[in-house]
Amino acid sequence: QPVLTQSPSASGTPGQWVTISCSGSGSTIGSNTVDWYQQLPGTAPKLLVYRNNLRPSGVPDRFSGSKSGASASLAISGLQSEDEADYYCAAWDDSLNVVVFGGGTKLTVL
Amino acid sequence: QVQLQESGPGLVKPSETLSLTCTVSGGSISGYYWTWIRQPPGKGLEWIGHIHYSGTPTYYSSLKSRVTISLDTSKNQFSLNLNSVTAADTAVYYCARVLSNKDFWNGYSFSFDSWGQGTLVTVSS
Repeated sequence: QPVLTQSPSASGTPGQWVTISCSGSGSTIGSNTVDWYQQLPGTAPKLLVYRNNLRPSGVPDRFSGSKSGASASLAISGLQSEDEADYYCAAWDDSLNVVVFGGGTKLTVL
Repeated sequence: QVQLQESGPGLVKPSETLSLTCTVSGGSISGYYWTWIRQPPGKGLEWIGHIHYSGTPTYYSSLKSRVTISLDTSKNQFSLNLNSVTAADTAVYYCARVLSNKDFWNGYSFSFDSWGQGTLVTVSS
């Protein structure tokens, strides 16, 4: 059972704004930063947002991250068909001294 | 642009040792943490552990008794050994570079900014 909780699925139509949530605890998201990864079908994950709200070079500003307390969200504006992928959140766990992932959210673009 | 490439056997027998190597090119192994992550078929991501270039590893609790991660700075490589494997260890194994940070306000940050393409390891007799 993943330590971080994500909804298994999300969907939207092209151009829409979609959010994906990630719920943790005081020892994970409540104490440390959150990262988001995008995994397109058949490929390795890619860092999308790090340290809660920073984007690596090359990631469009349609993707944004936020954190409040022990929860975090990834927002995607102007949804595009190529955004159809699995999205994972991750954070350090102070209690276990390990990196923990969410179970992933499969985003479908209708 | 740093690149990572996993290598090793794609098939391992039950009870034997899974051994993988990650070769880093386009950048030095020094100054960073390096990590292994796996993904069972059709499932989510699982962190295995990481090692700092200074040589100190940290492992996921449920795998700690079976896993070893090591560095070879002379070859710009790091390795994963997982012993006593079972079918549950069948997965795509990824190596990645870690951007790490710690500050008073935000706590720890371990972000995986460069990944290998992944290698499927099947445990079967």
